[in-house]
Amino acid sequence: AQSVTQLDSHVSVSEGTPVLLRCNYSSSYSPSLFWYVQHPNKGLQLLLKYTSAATLVKGINGFEAEFKKSETSFHLTKPSAHMSDAAEYFCVVSETGGFKTIFGAGTRLFVKA
Amino acid sequence: EADIYQTPRYLVIGTGKKITLECSQTMGHDKMYWYQQDPGMELHLIHYSYGVNSTEKGDLSSESTVSRIRTEHFPLTLESARPSHTSQYLCASSGGRHTEAFFGQGTRLTVV
Repeated sequence: AQSVTQLDSHVSVSEGTPVLLRCNYSSSYSPSLFWYVQHPNKGLQLLLKYTSAATLVKGINGFEAEFKKSETSFHLTKPSAHMSDAAEYFCVVSETGGFKTIFGAGTRLFVKA
Repeated sequence: EADIYQTPRYLVIGTGKKITLECSQTMGHDKMYWYQQDPGMELHLIHYSYGVNSTEKGDLSSESTVSRIRTEHFPLTLESARPSHTSQYLCASSGGRHTEAFFGQGTRLTVV
């Protein structure tokens, strides 16, 4: 069975400081892992994905995530937050080659000027 | 740029009305999904489809129904809308070389 836990419902950072959004997962099989971002009144946009290639994955807008199998984690980071990064972020797990996709509860990122 | 479209974007409708939310994708994806998302809450899978003439219930029970007569089209229907159906409905598709799901902009439904 798959599950995904986003450890923080809200994260607040100042503009220009690092961002860390935490995600732990469980999966019986080799998982595919994704981070999506959702801006207010917009659809979901894929930030990055891990599909058993390099464990450090680079995405759009300066985001990256590292797959750590021993810790079952897939945390999202960015060195320097921008105001435009304020949004809801979803960590997602899907069994490789499988069908069902499980979303985390989401982390709302606030960026202070 | 993902080519998946949902219409309408916003819909306010009275109780008891029948509504259909449209979802179309031009990527030739075989898998399509409907998710329901209440404000500030997580996404829940309510329907999915492996391909034409295939539809399955998702993890969250829903009174809505879906059909998949054509690969590119996956409409969701509510026969009799109720205020409890007020939510955002997100359509997605995946397939081919894409392991990730592509999402539409969503339909925000309000039943009054």
